[in-house]
Amino acid sequence: ETAVFQTPNYHVTQVGNEVSFNCKQTLGHDTMYWYKQDSKKLLKIMFSYNNKQLIVNETVPRRFSPQSSDKAHLNLRIKSVEPEDSAVYLCASSNWGDQDTQYFGPGTRLLVL
Amino acid sequence: GDKVKQSPSALSLQEGTNSALRCNFSIAATTVQWFLQNPRGSLINLFYLVPGTKENGRLKSTFNSKESYSTLHIRDAQLEDSGTYFCAAEAISGSFNKLTFGAGTRLAVCP
Repeated sequence: ETAVFQTPNYHVTQVGNEVSFNCKQTLGHDTMYWYKQDSKKLLKIMFSYNNKQLIVNETVPRRFSPQSSDKAHLNLRIKSVEPEDSAVYLCASSNWGDQDTQYFGPGTRLLVL
Repeated sequence: GDKVKQSPSALSLQEGTNSALRCNFSIAATTVQWFLQNPRGSLINLFYLVPGTKENGRLKSTFNSKESYSTLHIRDAQLEDSGTYFCAAEAISGSFNKLTFGAGTRLAVCP
């Protein structure tokens, strides 16, 4: 069941450029997340948004910023990408407070040259 | 990461056999989730667990919060079970429960 949508699937860019990734969920959840999965497949949470409020920011570099227009959308912007930003970025959503499972999107693979 | 340790890191199974994956926690996990990342990269949720046991088809998972571990049992392994299995522990961090993922177990099911 695909209910968390991410675009683009892939993005190749050069160091110093700005990129933006989109995420939309149709599950009616009130919390959305961004994770980074590195080349070793380690998943680490980057941001969480609940009712338009940032509630977790895991010491990510300042060039990363989440952007939300409503509870169904959470985009990720990266200003001036660095080579170490190459990774898969996964968006997820859940219901905060119901202790529900998180549903993940298919991911956006970023390659910084 | 180190807070959630998965074992084994990789596993090869003959079709039709059984196996168990394990997660040990060094954090105070309140709930555990198991995911399968398929070869396409999609993360599929398998189980959401409070302390106790759940079963779904050929999969069975247990979360023991007192002894800080969780297991995922796969019965009668099939080719489509191949992929990377992640466990993730939910622990209270400030006012927010966040998921901490293990490094994954790469499973290959062979004919």
